Amino acid sequence: DQQVKQNSPSLSVQEGRISILNCDYTNSMFDYFLWYKKYPAEGPTFLISISSIKDKNEDGRFTVFLNKSAKHLSLHIVPSQPGDSAVYFCAAPPVETSYDKVIFGPGTSLSVIP
Amino acid sequence: GAVVSQHPSRVICKSGTSVKIECRSLDFQATTMFWYRQFPKQSLMLMATSNEGSKATYEQGVEKDKFLINHASLTLSTLTVTSAHPEDSSFYICSARIAGDETQYFGPGTRLLVL
Repeated sequence: DQQVKQNSPSLSVQEGRISILNCDYTNSMFDYFLWYKKYPAEGPTFLISISSIKDKNEDGRFTVFLNKSAKHLSLHIVPSQPGDSAVYFCAAPPVETSYDKVIFGPGTSLSVIP
Repeated sequence: GAVVSQHPSRVICKSGTSVKIECRSLDFQATTMFWYRQFPKQSLMLMATSNEGSKATYEQGVEKDKFLINHASLTLSTLTVTSAHPEDSSFYICSARIAGDETQYFGPGTRLLVL
């Protein structure tokens, strides 16, 4: 039973265009979400987060949107660059465990084509 | 930002031997450290959660006698894969969390290959 879903295993985008990575969750109690970026053979790096009290958070080229009613969030990368090619994980810490156990989605592999 | 290191980055060992992987928080004290395992083209799988000075909490299906975790200090946690077998070959990643911060900071990972 996946509580955090990323239904697109892969995505290809032309350099300079917008990349949109989607994430859905099932537990309405989740109140904080994180996006991590991972290159092959490296650990994930924190990218951006959003609290459920907001519907948007922006950091440079990265913007995360949260639609609580739809239990959906998305990560927008504009403009996409070849260096953005990586696997992106959506994650949510369950409230009842005090953020100790972050639940990761399966990841979406983004390829930015030069 | 917070930096987490892992050592070694890569290790090759013979079947039946034990391998120790270190995870260190370099510029902060980590109240909690986590150990993950990643299989090829799959998501991160949480193996265990360790708090400094107490026993690790293992996830269901993870053998605690096989994967020994020691969190000796606020900056160091170790994972020992005992009597390693080829099926233990994987990418092991640790992460650390600062008290009061929801973000986990990940180490660079350790590639284990058991021959």
